[in-house]
Amino acid sequence: DQQVKQNSPSLSVQEGRISILNCDYTNSMFDYFLWYKKYPAEGPTFLISISSIKDKNEDGRFTVFLNKSAKHLSLHIVPSQPGDSAVYFCAAAFGNEKLTFGTGTRLTIIP
Amino acid sequence: NAGVTQTPKFRVLKTGQSMTLLCAQDMNHEYMYWYRQDPGMGLRLIHYSVGEGTTAKGEVPDGYNVSRLKKQNFLLGLESAAPSQTSVYFCASSYQDRDYSNQPQHFGDGTRLSIL
Repeated sequence: DQQVKQNSPSLSVQEGRISILNCDYTNSMFDYFLWYKKYPAEGPTFLISISSIKDKNEDGRFTVFLNKSAKHLSLHIVPSQPGDSAVYFCAAAFGNEKLTFGTGTRLTIIP
Repeated sequence: NAGVTQTPKFRVLKTGQSMTLLCAQDMNHEYMYWYRQDPGMGLRLIHYSVGEGTTAKGEVPDGYNVSRLKKQNFLLGLESAAPSQTSVYFCASSYQDRDYSNQPQHFGDGTRLSIL
């Protein structure tokens, strides 16, 4: 049973436009959410996180939005750049449980 | 700045063979983790350690063993490799388990393992 779902395996966006990556979760106990970025042949690197007490967190071009009632979070990248082409994983955690990862979305930025 | 180093990067095994994957971190992190990544499955936790001399099971521990004899090293062992263990394995480490805002997990670059 996949508790963290990324329903779009891939997404293509033109350079300069906004990229929106989505993540849905089923476990209402999750209280911390993270986004990781992964380039080919490299390990995931932390991008941005959000606590369940917030509904938005911003870091430069990256903003994460959390909608607890819908059990949905999204990552916005504005403006999108070629270097943003990667696989993005969302992850969630609660209590002393470990991170649960989604299946990933491959983002391609078209020059 | 090495961070988390995994060896080897690639390995091909025959069914029934054994091997050990090594993870080393130079950040003095207490927590270390082993994940596997399979197509369409995301990252799944195999085993983890909350400190030197400790280990615990994750989501998919069967067929694997781990040891944390030194704080900086976390070893993942396959005693009798099976084709279902063909995967990309990632090691990660962190200072604490819950301070995700400042101290998220740092990952190595992975080990691609094929079992024939």
